[in-house]
Amino acid sequence: AQSVAQPEDQVNVAEGNPLTVKCTYSVSGNPYLFWYVQYPNRGLQFLLKYITGDNLVKGSYGFEAEFNKSQTSFHLKKPSALVSDSALYFCAVRDTAAGNKLTFGGGTRVLVKP
Amino acid sequence: EAQVTQNPRYLITVTGKKLTVTCSQNMNHEYMSWYRQDPGLGLRQIYYSMNVEVTDKGDVPEGYKVSRKEKRNFPLILESPSPNQTSLYFCASSPARDRGEKLFFGSGTQLSVL
Repeated sequence: AQSVAQPEDQVNVAEGNPLTVKCTYSVSGNPYLFWYVQYPNRGLQFLLKYITGDNLVKGSYGFEAEFNKSQTSFHLKKPSALVSDSALYFCAVRDTAAGNKLTFGGGTRVLVKP
Repeated sequence: EAQVTQNPRYLITVTGKKLTVTCSQNMNHEYMSWYRQDPGLGLRQIYYSMNVEVTDKGDVPEGYKVSRKEKRNFPLILESPSPNQTSLYFCASSPARDRGEKLFFGSGTQLSVL
């Protein structure tokens, strides 16, 4: 069965510092990997995805993520965090060997302090 | 404007009183899905639909029903709501699941069952 783990419930970072949100996954086939962001009182918004190709994926709002097959990880990164990046971030995986099911992680709350 | 519209935004009801949460998308998407979001559990899929008249169970389908009679609409029905169905519900759509397309989410429905 496919699964996603986000080991940190919350990440605190000072504005201007690098931001990293961790995600590891487990699938039996090849993974499609996604990051979504949820701002207060809003639905989730797509940030980026990895399907195949270059392991470093660039997305919206200056975010990027690195696919690491050997470590089964897909960590989200931003070189310089903004206060407006404070939100709830979700990693998700779809196992290509398991049909159309998309599994989300538990979410990581990011708090960027001025 | 391309969007997924859910109604109502907030709903308080009592145990056993049937209710329907509507979802409509104007992007001609084939795929639609319902999720519930609970603290620490992330998003869990309730039901999904690959196209008109094609629906399937997600991870937590018990106590819910759906229908897909038109491409744009995908209502979620709770025939006899119970307090454990108190949650934040999201509808989502995408062009097609087999290409790893991104999901577009509605703004959510906060349901409280007393």
